[in-house]
Amino acid sequence: GAVVSQHPSWVICKSGTSVKIECRSLDFQATTMFWYRQFPKQSLMLMATSNEGSKATYEQGVEKDKFLINHASLTLSTLTVTSAHPEDSSFYICSARVSGQYNEQFFGPGTRLTVL
Amino acid sequence: GENVEQHPSTLSVQEGDSAVIKCTYSDSASNYFPWYKQELGKRPQLIIDIRSNVGEKKDQRIAVTLNKTAKHFSLHITETQPEDSAVYFCAASHHQAGTALIFGKGTTLSVSS
Repeated sequence: GAVVSQHPSWVICKSGTSVKIECRSLDFQATTMFWYRQFPKQSLMLMATSNEGSKATYEQGVEKDKFLINHASLTLSTLTVTSAHPEDSSFYICSARVSGQYNEQFFGPGTRLTVL
Repeated sequence: GENVEQHPSTLSVQEGDSAVIKCTYSDSASNYFPWYKQELGKRPQLIIDIRSNVGEKKDQRIAVTLNKTAKHFSLHITETQPEDSAVYFCAASHHQAGTALIFGKGTTLSVSS
């Protein structure tokens, strides 16, 4: 149990285009999901906390108008990178907690974004 | 907010030796401390975690210790094997459901045979 999926697993796009990444909890409900970004040889940096039915909470330095997050259901959160640029190329990973249970987070497999 | 420091950034050991990675955290409200192993291009894998109501936890060759007073926790791997080579991350969070994990910068462990 407690499986999180992400789609797509990798994507290549042209500079200036938008890319949507989906994060799904397959066998549990998640009122809260988290989006992380990981550059090569670096740690996972929290971008935002996605709350079902409400606005996401963004970390300092993360542009909310550039990284649009929607958490429309208890099993799906989406991250849209708008007007992507090469510096947005990174590994994006989502995670989720089982609603009502605390602490342990379950990670998606990640999405490798390359912006040309 | 929470800040997690992790040392060392790289660690090289011989097969069979022990490896120790240390982390400190800043938020005294944090009460959950997991350790993750990450292979290149893959998601982090939880290898062991500890909650603040215990001081030590062990799972076969892996153990974690927690000192709440000093706000530090450590990962101990005994009898290391080449397949233990990976990047290890510590993290911290507290029990509120909306609280994210904050990660340390990672330790690249290399085990040579």
